[in-house]
Amino acid sequence: DAGITQSPRYKITETGRQVTLMCHQTWSHSYMFWYRQDLGHGLRLIYYSAAADITDKGEVPDGYVVSRSKTENFPLTLESATRSQTSVYFCASSEGHYNTEAFFGQGTRLTVV
Amino acid sequence: SQQGEEDPQALSIQEGENATMNCSYKTSINNLQWYRQNSGRGLVHLILIRSNEREKHSGRLRVTLDTSKKSSSLLITASRAADTASYFCATDASGGGADGLTFGKGTHLIIQP
Repeated sequence: DAGITQSPRYKITETGRQVTLMCHQTWSHSYMFWYRQDLGHGLRLIYYSAAADITDKGEVPDGYVVSRSKTENFPLTLESATRSQTSVYFCASSEGHYNTEAFFGQGTRLTVV
Repeated sequence: SQQGEEDPQALSIQEGENATMNCSYKTSINNLQWYRQNSGRGLVHLILIRSNEREKHSGRLRVTLDTSKKSSSLLITASRAADTASYFCATDASGGGADGLTFGKGTHLIIQP
């Protein structure tokens, strides 16, 4: 199916565990993004990638790691999950940098207990 | 930090009425975009207005942009129950910094049948 998909949709993990959220897009978009959405904060950019093997920090990168070995995949790893990382995570992609819309996945609801 | 701030935070109107939401932002932009988010879903792009445009229409949507006031408005005419959602403005800032859109906290719109 064409589009952008995230997995899993829901995840519960324990404090201190490593967890990876997956994101896959079928459009071959150059840019991919990870946002987190929290009540009272809206969406905040965690990391983004302009192309395969090129990643950069966003507004709230601490505690997260990303990689992009293939254009279509952009996994987000929480190396040692904390309760403050309980959130809804959205992956997005866009064709270019300027003046292009972003396409969002359905989100992953992560709970750290 | 939030670039865009929507106003009001919540809006409840009767079906058939018009809904107006406002967005203010802080820095120079390349474009401003509006997104809709239905409960539990990802964000969906509605409309993009470039910094050199003042008004744009798409179906029942009308967006205005005033770069001198750093503000935008989204008008939804003849509202329907299906328009119930959260609406976010997002800015694509010029002048460097992280790539990716910067989102406001959103306006939650409820259409009463």
